[in-house]
Amino acid sequence: GAVVSQHPSWVICKSGTSVKIECRSLDFQATTMFWYRQFPKQSLMLMATSNEGSKATYEQGVEKDKFLINHASLTLSTLTVTSAHPEDSSFYICSARVQGPGPQHFGDGTRLSIL
Amino acid sequence: AQSVTQPDIHITVSEGASLELRCNYSYGATPYLFWYVQSPGQGLQLLLKYFSGDTLVQGIKGFEAEFKRSQSSFNLRKPSVHWSDAAEYFCAVGDESNTGKLIFGQGTTLQVKP
Repeated sequence: GAVVSQHPSWVICKSGTSVKIECRSLDFQATTMFWYRQFPKQSLMLMATSNEGSKATYEQGVEKDKFLINHASLTLSTLTVTSAHPEDSSFYICSARVQGPGPQHFGDGTRLSIL
Repeated sequence: AQSVTQPDIHITVSEGASLELRCNYSYGATPYLFWYVQSPGQGLQLLLKYFSGDTLVQGIKGFEAEFKRSQSSFNLRKPSVHWSDAAEYFCAVGDESNTGKLIFGQGTTLQVKP
């Protein structure tokens, strides 16, 4: 149980384009989803927290107009990297949890490469 | 402020040897504690968690961890390491304001020698 699917797993696109990453909880309803960015050999950096039906809460220093997050249902959250540039290249990971105390369940991540 | 420290950035053990990965945290009350494992290019998999009760918790893949309040530690152990255990290990604590956020340690890279 507690499976989180993230798609796509790998994407390459040209500078200036927008890229959408989907995060789905397959067998549970996720009241909260999280988006992380991970640089090579480093820990996870939380970008934002999204709750179903409300605006995402962004961490300090994360551009909300660059990284658009939508949590349209209890099983789906999307991260759109707008007007992507090479410095946005990274490994992006989502996670989901149910209400109350409990672990976060992680997707397999998306490797984003901007040329 | 809350923090999680994993003192060992890199550990190498021989296959079949025992393993202990250290984790120290700072937290005001009884913490929610987690250990996750990440294989290269993958997401994180939950190994085990501690919320309350028995301070020795069992997880998947033969791992266990012990919560020691007096030492603010939550060390991960495995009696006999397998080559497939080579990965990145993250200790995390749930944040005090109960938003569901996790505070992660820096991670420990485990290398297993044949």
